[in-house]
Amino acid sequence: NAGVTQTPKFQVLKTGQSMTLQCAQDMNHEYMSWYRQDPGMGLRLIHYSVGAGITDQGEVPNGYNVSRSTTEDFPLRLLSAAPSQTSVYFCASSWGTAGANNSPLHFGNGTRLTVT
Amino acid sequence: AQSVTQLGSHVSVSEGALVLLRCNYSSSVPPYLFWYVQYPNQGLQLLLKYTTGATLVKGINGFEAEFKKSETSFHLTKPSAHMSDAAEYFCAVSRPGGSQGNLIFGKGTKLSVKP
Repeated sequence: NAGVTQTPKFQVLKTGQSMTLQCAQDMNHEYMSWYRQDPGMGLRLIHYSVGAGITDQGEVPNGYNVSRSTTEDFPLRLLSAAPSQTSVYFCASSWGTAGANNSPLHFGNGTRLTVT
Repeated sequence: AQSVTQLGSHVSVSEGALVLLRCNYSSSVPPYLFWYVQYPNQGLQLLLKYTTGATLVKGINGFEAEFKKSETSFHLTKPSAHMSDAAEYFCAVSRPGGSQGNLIFGKGTKLSVKP
């Protein structure tokens, strides 16, 4: 039972480089989301998706793109990395609307990204 | 708008002592409330949740929380701390259902347990 799988676990980028953070879940969850975690800031929502083909912006979407072509996968793309994007990124999923009754979020183990 | 405030970014207790982590929320509608725990180098795990019904909610690992509407609080407690409880704890509130119900997280409280 893999749950939510994120790759890579660690990544170092130079300013201006692009990359994709991968997220896959095997629980047939409709809802998926990306958070970034910074010291003293808690978790902030970047983008989320309520189903295949549907995405929307969260609190801090600038500099990030997402797509949801399948139920299982929800990749996060950094088009031109900046030092301000140095953070730990978490992907999460749930059965239905996140936070609703019986829909707790299941988190991956995170990707630690450093942009120099 | 919804918001969550966790009082104290760091809390230190002795093993066997009471654990009390404070969370206050603001919400224009009756909220769903959650506590998540994060162990080092891991993602967050659900500890417990309040949706409707009984205001005292029991979670995993001996933790419980009480929803107090009059105080807009959802404090997390455990009668006797264990070394394995050392982690970071996040309180979260759900947005109103009409906005896809995303969670708003507090900034977290790091719990240290001294032997």
